[in-house]
Amino acid sequence: NAGVTQTPKFQVLKTGQSMTLQCAQDMNHEYMSWYRQDPGMGLRLIHYSVGAGITDQGEVPNGYNVSRSTTEDFPLRLLSAAPSQTSVYFCASSYADRRSAEAFFGQGTRLTVV
Amino acid sequence: AQSVTQLDSQVPVFEEAPVELRCNYSSSVSVYLFWYVQYPNQGLQLLLKYLSGSTLVKGINGFEAEFNKSQTSFHLRKPSVHISDTAEYFCAVARSGGYQKVTFGTGTKLQVIP
Repeated sequence: NAGVTQTPKFQVLKTGQSMTLQCAQDMNHEYMSWYRQDPGMGLRLIHYSVGAGITDQGEVPNGYNVSRSTTEDFPLRLLSAAPSQTSVYFCASSYADRRSAEAFFGQGTRLTVV
Repeated sequence: AQSVTQLDSQVPVFEEAPVELRCNYSSSVSVYLFWYVQYPNQGLQLLLKYLSGSTLVKGINGFEAEFNKSQTSFHLRKPSVHISDTAEYFCAVARSGGYQKVTFGTGTKLQVIP
């Protein structure tokens, strides 16, 4: 059981570079989301999706884009990396109803922007 | 809008002593409540959840939490901690039913002292 898979695990970017963080889940979950984790700030929601073709902004969406072309994949794109985007990024997925109400998390991507 | 407050950023406790990690939430609608645990360099794992019914919820690794609607609290307890419980603990809230847009607290680091 793979669950939620994030790649890469570590990444160093230069300011202004772009990149895509990959997230895939094999549990047929409708709901997927991206969070960033910063010391003392908990997890903050960047973007989320309630199904293929449907995405919406979370608490801190600026500088990030998402798309959801399939149920399984939910990539996060950094358009022009900035040092303020240095963080640990987590992807999560869950059923979009009462069945479970449990979010399953990937192992995280540690991103450093220099 | 919903929010979560974890009152303690760090909690040191001796091995085999009891511990309580505090969580208060704010929401204008009915909520689901969660506690997640994060071990170093890992993703988040669900400890326990309250969806409805009994206000005392038991989770994995001997943890339990009590939902108190009048005090809008969901404190996490364990009667006797082990070294392996050293981790960061996150309280989270989601609007009951519908899509799982989860709001996390800022986390409490539990340090178990031998």
